[in-house]
Amino acid sequence: DQQVKQNSPSLSVQEGRISILNCDYTNSMFDYFLWYKKYPAEGPTFLISISSIKDKNEDGRFTVFLNKSAKHLSLHIVPSQPGDSAVYFCAASEDNAGNNRKLIWGLGTSLGVNP
Amino acid sequence: KAGVTQTPRYLIKTRGQQVTLSCSPISGHRSVSWYQQTPGQGLQFLFEYFSETQRNKGNFPGRFSGRQFSNSRSEMNVSTLELGDSALYLCASSSPGSGSPLHFGNGTRLTVT
Repeated sequence: DQQVKQNSPSLSVQEGRISILNCDYTNSMFDYFLWYKKYPAEGPTFLISISSIKDKNEDGRFTVFLNKSAKHLSLHIVPSQPGDSAVYFCAASEDNAGNNRKLIWGLGTSLGVNP
Repeated sequence: KAGVTQTPRYLIKTRGQQVTLSCSPISGHRSVSWYQQTPGQGLQFLFEYFSETQRNKGNFPGRFSGRQFSNSRSEMNVSTLELGDSALYLCASSSPGSGSPLHFGNGTRLTVT
């Protein structure tokens, strides 16, 4: 049973607009969340993370929002660029210090940004 | 700084054989984790090694094993291969310290026929 769910397998947006990728989780013990981006034939690349003691973390064009009561997090990319086209993975762990390398992953959302 | 290097990139084996995959972490990284990626299951945690000791383990059968050497390089071994072991095997390294993200290699694509 998937403990981390990304219900949208794919998403298409126009260049310059906002991309919103969603992730839901079921395990209330999760307290550290990460987003990774993956291009074909490459390994995942870390984007941004958030601890459960926060509800928002921002890094440049990327912002992650966490709603603990809803067990939901989202990644916002503003403005979206064609180079952002990739598969985005949400991952979670039971360690808000971020020391736990055992991550539980969603199945990914393929984002396409159209010029 | 060189990234995480995994060898080989591609491998074809037959059922019943065994296979060894290799991972060289980023210089200075002492933690190495292994993941299996399949289309239906996504990325699943195999195990993590730190300072030559297995620190954490996922829910895989004993046919999957690993080790880490004193230079932090790691190997993963799968014995008695099954068709379902066909997957992309990803290695990731990380530096000590809380919040340090995983840095992944490009993976080894294993096909079992």
